[in-house]
Amino acid sequence: QKEVEQNSGPLSVPEGAIASLNCTYSDRGSQSFFWYRQYSGKSPELIMFIYSNGDKEDGRFTAQLNKASQYVSLLIRDSQPSDSATYLCAVETGGTSYGKLTFGQGTILTVHP
Amino acid sequence: GAVVSQHPSRVICKSGTSVKIECRSLDFQATTMFWYRQFPKQSLMLMATSNEGSKATYEQGVEKDKFLINHASLTLSTLTVTSAHPEDSSFYICSARDSGGRETQYFGPGTRLLVL
Repeated sequence: QKEVEQNSGPLSVPEGAIASLNCTYSDRGSQSFFWYRQYSGKSPELIMFIYSNGDKEDGRFTAQLNKASQYVSLLIRDSQPSDSATYLCAVETGGTSYGKLTFGQGTILTVHP
Repeated sequence: GAVVSQHPSRVICKSGTSVKIECRSLDFQATTMFWYRQFPKQSLMLMATSNEGSKATYEQGVEKDKFLINHASLTLSTLTVTSAHPEDSSFYICSARDSGGRETQYFGPGTRLLVL
């Protein structure tokens, strides 16, 4: 089982729709969760981070965390063509691995006009 | 947000040569920096954790004698790919952890290495 697994893509949504990206993780000791966006040929760009159970909203983005289910998601409202990119879920564990991020394989999102 | 720079952004070299990549945190101090490698259509793979003033910690399967890491100050870490070979061609990305804030990692723009 992969440590961090994202829903298989690619995901295609029409402009203005809600895009839903999902991620599960295997280590119950994980403490911090991040969503990064990566455009082709570029390095990852931080979108959001979440540490506590529940929802966290930032503009058109909402991150949701459920530690009991070991599940974190990202919702993008009013999707725009410029949101088309690969979205990476990253999980930070604690203990001796403090600070290290484990990335999922990424989900390619395409927002079509 | 915090800014991390990398230099060079792109390098082409002959097989057998060594290449040094610099990673700098421009507006914050980073006790810890990370080095990742990303092959086409794959996710980021952590190579090593670089700690200021101490030896780097390498991930399993990463040769520490081939990928030399030096973290000489709170704003600079370097990765040297020694005796590079074509299979080392990849996208190398560093990240810096903001020690003063909530300790979020910020990524540099990456260095694309092509070994001929």
